[in-house]
Amino acid sequence: GAGVSQSPSNKVTEKGKDVELRCDPISGHTALYWYRQSLGQGLEFLIYFQGNSAPDKSGLPSDRFSAERTGGSVSTLTIQRTQQEDSAVYLCANSFSRGDTQYFGPGTRLTVL
Amino acid sequence: EDQVTQSPEALRLQEGESSSLNCSYTVSGLRGLFWYRQDPGKGPEFLFTLYSAGEEKEKERLKATLTKKESFLHITAPKPEDSATYLCAASRGGSQGNLIFGKGTKLSVKP
Repeated sequence: GAGVSQSPSNKVTEKGKDVELRCDPISGHTALYWYRQSLGQGLEFLIYFQGNSAPDKSGLPSDRFSAERTGGSVSTLTIQRTQQEDSAVYLCANSFSRGDTQYFGPGTRLTVL
Repeated sequence: EDQVTQSPEALRLQEGESSSLNCSYTVSGLRGLFWYRQDPGKGPEFLFTLYSAGEEKEKERLKATLTKKESFLHITAPKPEDSATYLCAASRGGSQGNLIFGKGTKLSVKP
């Protein structure tokens, strides 16, 4: 596709369950980023991938959060044992290389009950 | 600590009433300053990138400018369809790839 896509668009889960969020980036764009946007807050950086490696994981809020990227393409963000404070919109962004303009997907809205 | 601050938090304009949104930044080794537009329920949509003080970019009714401490997004004769949240973000040099975002300015343009 022409742009960044994310799935699912909405996810409702119960506290304590694990969730997986998916990002399909723009073909050929090597840098991939995950951000979190909570109500009334700015976008919060989570993790950055260059190819399949993650040189910067400094934004992951706890060890319940992990992410991987395979084939220099699709990325999944996994949240284990979800908590109510994990409720937010999770956004994936993609750029041709580090420092270039980042293009965002539509986001996944996660609600933890 | 690197920081991006946007003001005002919210701005209400009448159609045709020009104004400016402010983005002040304290970022070591600024690499680029980005403006995005975000509509409710959607991801941020890229508008402009500015790389050096004095640079200006325009698109339709929007013009972005950059100084060594702040950036402005000028909106000339806005229309209701310009209503959205406008986000400012900064990127740093070095190994960090992420953007540092401000909290945004929510613009409402009334007909």
